Amino acid sequence: KNQVEQSPQSLIILEGKNCTLQCNYTVSPFSNLRWYKQDTGRGPVSLTIMTFSENTKSNGRYTATLDADTKQSSLHITASQLSDSASYICVVSATGTASKLTFGTGTRLQVTL
Amino acid sequence: GAVVSQHPSRVICKSGTSVKIECRSLDFQATTMFWYRQFPKKSLMLMATSNEGSKATYEQGVEKDKFLINHASLTLSTLTVTSAHPEDSSFYICSAAMPSVGNEQFFGPGTRLTVL
Repeated sequence: KNQVEQSPQSLIILEGKNCTLQCNYTVSPFSNLRWYKQDTGRGPVSLTIMTFSENTKSNGRYTATLDADTKQSSLHITASQLSDSASYICVVSATGTASKLTFGTGTRLQVTL
Repeated sequence: GAVVSQHPSRVICKSGTSVKIECRSLDFQATTMFWYRQFPKKSLMLMATSNEGSKATYEQGVEKDKFLINHASLTLSTLTVTSAHPEDSSFYICSAAMPSVGNEQFFGPGTRLTVL
């Protein structure tokens, strides 16, 4: 069964600090992995998308890594801002099923003063 | 590009009434749209896949007569919650697949449904 697990479930950090969110998946055969940011009461917005051959991808203060061998990904947020407070969802799709996504349960990040 | 809108953003209705939610791809044509439901502090749960001009494919456990989906054009899909009950209260999110980028899904902003 395809599964995506994320940790931690929730995280509170001070503004300006860095943090790293984790994602483990068992989706097979792997096609790509996306990280989304979802603000409360809003739809998910894509941050990064990574295919099998990509190890690292950055989008501003967001850097995603992918280890296809261990089936792990991380999202590193640098110099956090209050506006980073949101849920971060790891989503994996399998080859041949681009339409069918497997969602992680998300990490709820709160950035405080 | 790749903007998906939903209308309304919030709706409150009485139990027993029907509610229609629209999902539009504003700057691209989407042959496939998806409807998700999200409970508080949970991730998105796929309800159904909607293909333009054909019947929607519903996920196991989703009542097709309860959640009517119509995908009348390449830019519009609608979800109608029929005879709504309080347990139907939820956050409904649609997405549209963009063919030119490998059918990557772009999500709408969601619709908060509250059934009294």
